[in-house]
Amino acid sequence: DAGVTQSPTHLIKTRGQQVTLRCSPKSGHDTVSWYQQALGQGPQFIFQYYEEEERQRGNFPDRFSGHQFPNYSSELNVNALLLGDSALYLCASSLFGTEENQPQHFGDGTRLSIL
Amino acid sequence: AQSVSQHNHHVILSEAASLELGCNYSYGGTVNLFWYVQYPGQHLQLLLKYFSGDPLVKGIKGFEAEFIKSKFSFNLRKPSVQWSDTAEYFCAVNLGFSGGYNKLIFGAGTRLAVHP
Repeated sequence: DAGVTQSPTHLIKTRGQQVTLRCSPKSGHDTVSWYQQALGQGPQFIFQYYEEEERQRGNFPDRFSGHQFPNYSSELNVNALLLGDSALYLCASSLFGTEENQPQHFGDGTRLSIL
Repeated sequence: AQSVSQHNHHVILSEAASLELGCNYSYGGTVNLFWYVQYPGQHLQLLLKYFSGDPLVKGIKGFEAEFIKSKFSFNLRKPSVQWSDTAEYFCAVNLGFSGGYNKLIFGAGTRLAVHP
């Protein structure tokens, strides 16, 4: 049973560039959430996708956008990269609906470095 | 704003010592609570969760946590730690789960080092 997979593992960009990160949820899951984990901090919620729509959003600017595909996989896009966007980006998946489905399963993350 | 506080950023213990990691949250409504662990080089894994019922919950690898509603706390405990428990531990809260949606608010994490 495949867990949450993310690509790429590492990425180096320069300020002003744009980046796309990808996530495939755990088999059987239909909801994808994205988190940003800066060094020495806990993950911070960016947004959550279900049925190909953004359902919840954290306190992140519009430079952060996403997409969910019919096969439940998801992309996170960040435009006009800033040095402060350097972080580990985590994808988590879950199954929509019941409370017991809440625990989110996390991928290994994409380490994004901005030069 | 809702927040989660973990009192200890770094904890160093010897094997067989007892562990208690503090977690407090600021939110007056219904919450669901989680502890996640991140072993070196691995992804976040769920240790245990509290939704309702018995406030003392048991998780994997001998960990347990107690939900004290009056104190807005959900402390993690283990009677006797092992070297393999060396990891970073995150407390997380899901606020007022409804409609099937959920987002986690995490604490800053506690880095535990266990010496043999």
